[in-house]
Amino acid sequence: QQQVKQSPQSLIVQKGGISIINCAYENTAFDYFPWYQQFPGKGPALLIAIRPDVSEKKEGRFTISFNKSAKQFSLHIMDSQPGDSATYFCAALNSGYSTLTFGKGTMLLVSP
Amino acid sequence: NAGVTQTPKFRILKIGQSMTLQCTQDMNHNYMYWYRQDPGMGLKLIYYSVGAGITDKGEVPNGYNVSRSTTEDFPLRLELAAPSQTSVYFCASRTQQGSDGYTFGSGTRLTVV
Repeated sequence: QQQVKQSPQSLIVQKGGISIINCAYENTAFDYFPWYQQFPGKGPALLIAIRPDVSEKKEGRFTISFNKSAKQFSLHIMDSQPGDSATYFCAALNSGYSTLTFGKGTMLLVSP
Repeated sequence: NAGVTQTPKFRILKIGQSMTLQCTQDMNHNYMYWYRQDPGMGLKLIYYSVGAGITDKGEVPNGYNVSRSTTEDFPLRLELAAPSQTSVYFCASRTQQGSDGYTFGSGTRLTVV
């Protein structure tokens, strides 16, 4: 069964701190791992994504770390800001199939 | 480009009523999806389509129907609405080529009373 397990379910971080969200997967056929950011009342929006041939991808304050052997990947938000408060979903895709498999989401609150 | 457009944004239905949630995209994406989102439960796939005339069930299809007569449109039909269908519904699309992620619509919040 294709599953992506995401933790923690919720996270509170002080402004300026580092937010870390972790995901683990079982299916080694997954070959694309995106993260989505969702603000209240909005649809999820693609934040950053990585392929398993690289171990890290950085875009501004957002970094994905990928550990292929452990089948784990994580999102790091450096210098977290109150505007980062949102729900974050990790996901995985097997390009041979049509659908993304989503984690259950992490509600991040960055306190001022 | 408008991206993925969903209508209506909000709707209240009475038990047993039916309605159609509309979804249209202008990106010429082959793949389209319907998800429902319940608090703390993430996104659950209801139906998806890989092209006009082709649809398939997702994880939670019961109580729903879809059609895909054009590349642009992918309506979701709720028959005999039940309180368990109270949720936020998201439509999404993606291109078949490459591996870009989904583009989501802004959602329809449905309450069944």
